[in-house]
Parts: sequence; C-alpha cells; structure tokens
Amino acid sequence: DAGVIQSPRHEVTEMGQEVTLRCKPISGHDYLFWYRQTMMRGLELLIYFNNNVPIDDSGMPEDRFSAKMPNASFSTLKIQPSEPRDSAVYFCASSGLAGNTDTQYFGPGTRLTVL
Amino acid sequence: KQEVTQIPAALSVPEGENLVLNCSFTDSAIYNLQWFRQDPGKGLTSLLLIQSSQREQTSGRLNASLDKSSGRSTLYIAASQPGDSATYLCAVHPWEAAGNKLTFGGGTRVLVKP
Repeated sequence: DAGVIQSPRHEVTEMGQEVTLRCKPISGHDYLFWYRQTMMRGLELLIYFNNNVPIDDSGMPEDRFSAKMPNASFSTLKIQPSEPRDSAVYFCASSGLAGNTDTQYFGPGTRLTVL
Repeated sequence: KQEVTQIPAALSVPEGENLVLNCSFTDSAIYNLQWFRQDPGKGLTSLLLIQSSQREQTSGRLNASLDKSSGRSTLYIAASQPGDSATYLCAVHPWEAAGNKLTFGGGTRVLVKP
C-alpha cells in the first residue's frame, strides 16, 4: 500500500487566498484525521471523520477552516481566506483496518506558508 | 482536559548509550498510549502502542512501559544509533472518546552523536 497520500507537499500563498489541501487515506481505513503542527502549539487535532461523516470538529480554529470527505478515498481541508498565522504543517492520518483500529498512519504532511 | 507533557524537549547522547524518554499525562483514564517517531520534514510513524491493561510493550531495541496510576510512560531505546536521531512523541487516547482522538505531547528531539 502507498500509505496516506497528501498533496501538495508545499504550498506558498498570499494572505486572503483560498487554500485547499488534499488527502487520500489508506484503502479500507474508516477513520480520517486532520492535524496541524506548529512550533508554538505542537500537534493539534483539527477534525476527524468516521465512515466519511465528521465526528468531532472542535479543533477547527474558526469558520475560515472547513473539511469535507465526499467518499472513502478522498478528503479536503480548505482555508478561506488564509492568514499568515495559518502557516503550519498540516497532516492527514487514517486508521481503522480490522484488528488494528487504534494505530494511526500519517501522511508526509503539507507545509503551508501564508505570506 | 487531558494534558500530555514530555521532558526534556531535547536530548543529546553519544552512540551506544541507552535512551530514556519520558511522557506524563494528567488524566489516568486512558484507553491506550502510543509512541511515535517523526523525522525532519516527514510524518509520524507509530512505534509502539500500549493498551491500558498492559504494563509494557517491546519491539526490537525499543521498550515502552506504562504506569497508569502515576500517569507516566517511558520509552527505552537500547544501544542508540545515529539513525535513532529524530523527534519522539507520545500520545494518549482517552477512555471515553469515540474513535481515535489522540492528545499529543510536545515531543523530545533526540540527537545521537557518532
């Protein structure tokens, strides 16, 4: 399996622009997580889905952030409009393969820079 | 609210020395605890998962212990190698949460010098 796939790997944008991050979970996993990692705050859970349904979005910082999972093999995290303080590494992770439901497998991350 | 702390934030040891990494958590009602490794510019890789009913888990040179009552876990890496240089994070899964909502510590950055 190719593991969790994220795109793009790097994104540089200007303040006010819309940013869309993409994730393809491991096939067969039924949980998908979006995290944000910064030096100041460490690794924070933004939102997670179970069977394509958002379960907990309490970590989403504000209304500028939205996430969707239209099917079992694809999810997006959108920031509109983006701000410099959104600069961070965004990780997607998945879990749920039978017999190993608690281990999360992380993608390589998207490094976002908002100028 | 669960808080997870890892001290020290950074550690440097000579090759061959055993590594001891600490993790503490404030709420002992956990489902499991996991240790992850993160290399620069990469995602996290799961190393060990300890269920709340277990005291330790081992994988090769790695051994993780769990003392729920005192809210502590320790990751031991025997005979460290330069390839062990990375950031190590622990994360706890709360008992009452549905799914896999992990709370992470800030990590310990390890440098193993040849």
